[in-house]
Amino acid sequence: GENVEQHPSTLSVQEGDSAVIKCTYSDSASNYFPWYKQELGKGPQLIIDIRSNVGEKKDQRIAVTLNKTAKHFSLHITETQPEDSAVYFCAASSRTSNTGKLIFGQGTTLQVKP
Amino acid sequence: GAVVSQHPSWVICKSGTSVKIECRSLDFQATTMFWYRQFPKQSLMLMATSNEGSKATYEQGVEKDKFLINHASLTLSTLTVTSAHPEDSSFYICSAGVQPQHFGDGTRLSIL
Repeated sequence: GENVEQHPSTLSVQEGDSAVIKCTYSDSASNYFPWYKQELGKGPQLIIDIRSNVGEKKDQRIAVTLNKTAKHFSLHITETQPEDSAVYFCAASSRTSNTGKLIFGQGTTLQVKP
Repeated sequence: GAVVSQHPSWVICKSGTSVKIECRSLDFQATTMFWYRQFPKQSLMLMATSNEGSKATYEQGVEKDKFLINHASLTLSTLTVTSAHPEDSSFYICSAGVQPQHFGDGTRLSIL
């Protein structure tokens, strides 16, 4: 079955610096890759997603890149702010799953130091 | 944006009690909803896929008689933890929608 690996597990950056979180997936049939931000005691919030027919997508300070050949996708956060501190999860969904089931990575705890 | 509401947000009850958690999609109809369990500092573990008007699909290792799921309408799915025990204490999260999938704010269940 599908497996999603996420690195690093923790990431600490200085305010204003960039942060990059990387994920790899195993199922070449995966066609949808969302990223979620989870704050303490809350549910995950969708921050950006990308489909397999696109190589890059950007929304203000957040961008996601996808390399289908290598089965890698990454989240890039520029000009980080303390409020970006949270746990970030990548996920993948396969077109062979007609329910849209998501397989999640292990999560990255991002700390942005003021 | 899409909103998924989950209730209650926190419940504490005695061992042996059954607990019902509700998940509602507030501004869209959801044929499919999902139920997850999350332990501290871990990722989300899919428990089951809830299908409107039909039986839920459970992931391997999840007891369907322990975790009863009902999806009676296009905006409501419920998860009932039957005869809950301390090992069932966890953070339960629902989601709705397919690509994208939106999450509720979770229910923290504590069994004494």
